[in-house]
Amino acid sequence: DQQVKQNSPSLSVQEGRISILNCDYTNSMFDYFLWYKKYPAEGPTFLISISSIKDKNEDGRFTVFLNKSAKHLSLHIVPSQPGDSAVYFCAATNYQLIWGAGTKLIIKP
Amino acid sequence: NAGVTQTPKFRVLKTGQSMTLLCAQDMNHEYMYWYRQDPGMGLRLIHYSVGEGTTAKGEVPDGYNVSRLKKQNFLLGLESAAPSQTSVYFCASSYGEAQPQHFGDGTRLSIL
Repeated sequence: DQQVKQNSPSLSVQEGRISILNCDYTNSMFDYFLWYKKYPAEGPTFLISISSIKDKNEDGRFTVFLNKSAKHLSLHIVPSQPGDSAVYFCAATNYQLIWGAGTKLIIKP
Repeated sequence: NAGVTQTPKFRVLKTGQSMTLLCAQDMNHEYMYWYRQDPGMGLRLIHYSVGEGTTAKGEVPDGYNVSRLKKQNFLLGLESAAPSQTSVYFCASSYGEAQPQHFGDGTRLSIL
């Protein structure tokens, strides 16, 4: 039973455009959500997070939106840059971190 | 500025062999974690520790043991390796329970 789902295994976006990565969850007890970025042969690195008491959090080019009623969160990257090409994981927690399967983002020049 | 260091980076074992993966962090974090990542799946928690001398089971603990004798080190042991344990193993650490985790670069383990 996947509690955190990233339904798009991959996404291709033109450089300079907006990248939108989506994540759905089933457990209404999750109270904190995180996005991580992973390059090949490296560990995941923390990108941005959001508490369940908020619906938006921004950090530079990265914005995370949370829709609790739909149990859905999304990560917006604008403008997309070649260095953003990586696998993006969403994760959710109330006491233990549960991870999605990841979305591979490819930024085309 | 090492952060989280995992050794070894690669290892090939035969079925039934044992080995220990070492994780070391220099950030004085209380919490440490061991994950495995398999193709098409997210990271799955094997075991974790909330402080020196403590360990707890995660989502997929069977076939693994851990020890946290020193705050900066978290060891993952495979007593009798099985092909199903072929995976990439990641260690992570964090200040607290809901704090962002800092990861090592992983250990790629193949069991033949």
